Amino acid sequence: AQSVTQPDIHITVSEGASLELRCNYSYGATPYLFWYVQSPGQGLQLLLKYFSGDTLVQGIKGFEAEFKRSQSSFNLRKPSVHWSDAAEYFCAVGITGNQFYFGTGTSLTVIP
Amino acid sequence: DAEITQSPRHKITETGRQVTLACHQTWNHNNMFWYRQDLGHGLRLIHYSYGVQDTNKGEVSDGYSVSRSNTEDLPLTLESAASSQTSVYFCASSEAGEGNQPQHFGDGTRLSIL
Repeated sequence: AQSVTQPDIHITVSEGASLELRCNYSYGATPYLFWYVQSPGQGLQLLLKYFSGDTLVQGIKGFEAEFKRSQSSFNLRKPSVHWSDAAEYFCAVGITGNQFYFGTGTSLTVIP
Repeated sequence: DAEITQSPRHKITETGRQVTLACHQTWNHNNMFWYRQDLGHGLRLIHYSYGVQDTNKGEVSDGYSVSRSNTEDLPLTLESAASSQTSVYFCASSEAGEGNQPQHFGDGTRLSIL
């Protein structure tokens, strides 16, 4: 069965520090993977997506993610976090029929 | 710009009442989805539709129904609201695909059932 695991419920980082949010997936076929960000009171906004090819994908707002098939992981990274990055982050896998399975999310707090 | 609009943004109602949440998209997408978001559970799929007159049950469909009479709208109805259905509800749409088409989300409806 397909599933997405985000092991970290909450992460706190200092502004300017680097960030890595973890995501592990379980899916039998080639995964289509996505990262979304949710600011308070708003819907989910697409950060980036992975389909195939280059395992390092670039997204909006300076985010990138690396697909590692051997580890079933798709971790999100940012070299230098800004206060405006404080939000909830969701990893998702897309399957047949374009249905998505979402992780439970990671809440990011940025300390000035 | 194309968008998804959900209404109302906030609603308070009583147990046993019927409630309908609206979702309207101007992307001209065939696929539409309803999710609920609860702490510790992320987003869980309630119902989805691949086109007019098509509806399908998701992971947590009990107590909910949808209908698709046109491309733009997929209203979600709670037949008899229960306190366990207090949640934030999100509507999304996408192009047809096999998991490779991003879903676009509305801003959500916060529903409280007293």
